[in-house]
Amino acid sequence: EAGVAQSPRYKIIEKRQSVAFWCNPISGHATLYWYQQILGQGPKLLIQFQNNGVVDDSQLPKDRFSAERLKGVDSTLKIQPAKLEDSAVYLCASSFESPYEQYFGPGTRLTVT
Amino acid sequence: GQSLEQPSEVTAVEGAIVQINCTYQTSGFYGLSWYQQHDGGAPTFLSYNALDGLEETGRFSSFLSRSDSYGYLLLQELQMKDSASYFCAVSLGGGYQKVTFGTGTKLQVIP
Repeated sequence: EAGVAQSPRYKIIEKRQSVAFWCNPISGHATLYWYQQILGQGPKLLIQFQNNGVVDDSQLPKDRFSAERLKGVDSTLKIQPAKLEDSAVYLCASSFESPYEQYFGPGTRLTVT
Repeated sequence: GQSLEQPSEVTAVEGAIVQINCTYQTSGFYGLSWYQQHDGGAPTFLSYNALDGLEETGRFSSFLSRSDSYGYLLLQELQMKDSASYFCAVSLGGGYQKVTFGTGTKLQVIP
């Protein structure tokens, strides 16, 4: 069974530029999550999709972050414009039936200079 | 609001046993999960407790006491490869189950 795929693995941009991350979850997993993980901290949920609908985006900075999950499969997360404090690892995860058991992708390490 | 507390760092000797504690304050508690994350890697699921008591999976065990809002992860026969960060995560009920991660405990296993 293929795991959660993410790209790119690394990205360096200047502040005020835009960036997009892509995630393909495990086949059959209805729930998809985007997390932001700052060094030394736990993953912080940005947005949770159930199929292609949003169930939780309460911690998504909506003035600059957006996400979509078309057709209920893969998803993109966009930041526009980026700020220095957005430097973090962006993790995508998916789950089948139990949200407590999530499968994570390798993450995208974003550096904003 | 909700909060989870874990020690930030723990050091233990190879072959020994270590316990990583997690206390939580939250409403709508469903259960407690544990994840392992090696430096530069992705979190991987270790265990889940919805009921009080001990769950054992090989060298790892996880315990939950709902009345004390407390759980722990027990690692036995420590190996060098167990050096990693360990996160507890609470599952909250409601229209959908929401999972919130703690800040993590960095475990260093020394020879």
